[in-house]
Amino acid sequence: DSGVTQTPKHLITATGQRVTLRCSPRSGDLSVYWYQQSLDQGLQFLIQYYNGEERAKGNILERFSAQQFPDLHSELNLSSLELGDSALYFCASSDKDRASTDTQYFGPGTRLTVL
Amino acid sequence: AQTVTQSQPEMSVQEAETVTLSCTYDTSESDYYLFWYKQPPSRQMILVIRQEAYKQQNATENRFSVNFQKAAKSFSLKISDSQLGDAAMYFCAFNAGNMLTFGGGTRLMVKP
Repeated sequence: DSGVTQTPKHLITATGQRVTLRCSPRSGDLSVYWYQQSLDQGLQFLIQYYNGEERAKGNILERFSAQQFPDLHSELNLSSLELGDSALYFCASSDKDRASTDTQYFGPGTRLTVL
Repeated sequence: AQTVTQSQPEMSVQEAETVTLSCTYDTSESDYYLFWYKQPPSRQMILVIRQEAYKQQNATENRFSVNFQKAAKSFSLKISDSQLGDAAMYFCAFNAGNMLTFGGGTRLMVKP
């Protein structure tokens, strides 16, 4: 158990809908990272927040957004869902701002299925 | 841009034997970490081992060790005394800046 929690574990929804994925980092960690794992794109970095502020953006679609709250939990919002958004979404946390000299610990993931 | 390449999509090893998974990366950074993560059928991403680029000594965690060749930008994972529970996808990852860049993964099968 990494100490990172994600809810829900599974999510099934229809095209065009909007969903929210939630992540709670390990105790003491200030950074939260979101990753998408799909069959055709592999594991890709989406976005990072550090202590409530956005720090880095990766291959995140404009239909997707995220935020980190004062209690440090983070939410990833996915809207106007398409079939291709079906994937496993991971949250990871670390205690530093800059990832290059830090270790990220992953949550169990949320499996999103868009029908 | 950082890239990570795992050239072996699948590997197979006999239980109790040793197997080495390959990984190469490309970066212009001088300060970074390298990781191997394991993803079993549960899909959880589990940290196996970490190597700091400034350290010349190869990292070791129990049955897992790495061969880090900084000049060659190579970072292979050796699993000794393979166990059935080692069967999983293994991802090499490179950490520079504010994100992890992953390789495509190697599926390891362990034969009893």
